Amino acid sequence: EAGVAQSPRYKIIEKRQSVAFWCNPISGHATLYWYQQILGQGPKLLIQFQNNGVVDDSQLPKDRFSAERLKGVDSTLKIQPAKLEDSAVYLCASSLTRGVYNEQFFGPGTRLTVL
Amino acid sequence: RKEVEQDPGPFNVPEGATVAFNCTYSNSASQSFFWYRQDCRKEPKLLMSVYSSGNEDGRFTAQLNRASQYISLLIRDSKLSDSATYLCVVNKGTGRRALTFGSGTRLQVQP
Repeated sequence: EAGVAQSPRYKIIEKRQSVAFWCNPISGHATLYWYQQILGQGPKLLIQFQNNGVVDDSQLPKDRFSAERLKGVDSTLKIQPAKLEDSAVYLCASSLTRGVYNEQFFGPGTRLTVL
Repeated sequence: RKEVEQDPGPFNVPEGATVAFNCTYSNSASQSFFWYRQDCRKEPKLLMSVYSSGNEDGRFTAQLNRASQYISLLIRDSKLSDSATYLCVVNKGTGRRALTFGSGTRLQVQP
């Protein structure tokens, strides 16, 4: 069974530039998550989708970050404009449903460096 | 106070040792609890869910103490391959910021 796919794996940009990340969840998984993981910290939930609707985006910096999940499958996360403090690994995860005991499956992540 | 707190470690233990990690959480309404394992520069993977009655999977035992609001993970007979960061995860179930990861506890098992 294919896992969660993410691209690109690495991205280096200068501050104030824009960047976009793509995620393809496991087939049939209704719930999709984007996390930001800064070095030495645990993943922080940025946004959670249930199909193509947003369940929680309370920690998404909406002045510069946006995300969408059109058609309830693939998702993109965009940063515009990027700041130095956005340097982190961006992880996408999916789960079968929103059930509280559902396992989350993570993709390999996109490592972003902002110079 | 952080919603989920873990001792960052590192815990340096010899092979064969028993090691225990604790995790405390602040929201008494939290519904589900997990331990995830994250290898260096890799994505997190589920190690085990934590149930109220406690649960065991081979060398790993997880316990939940709702009254004191902490979760524990016990690893017996440590292997070199157990070296990783162990992340505690708490799910409030509904509402904003329902899912919270701890910062992780790093374990280094030495030969």
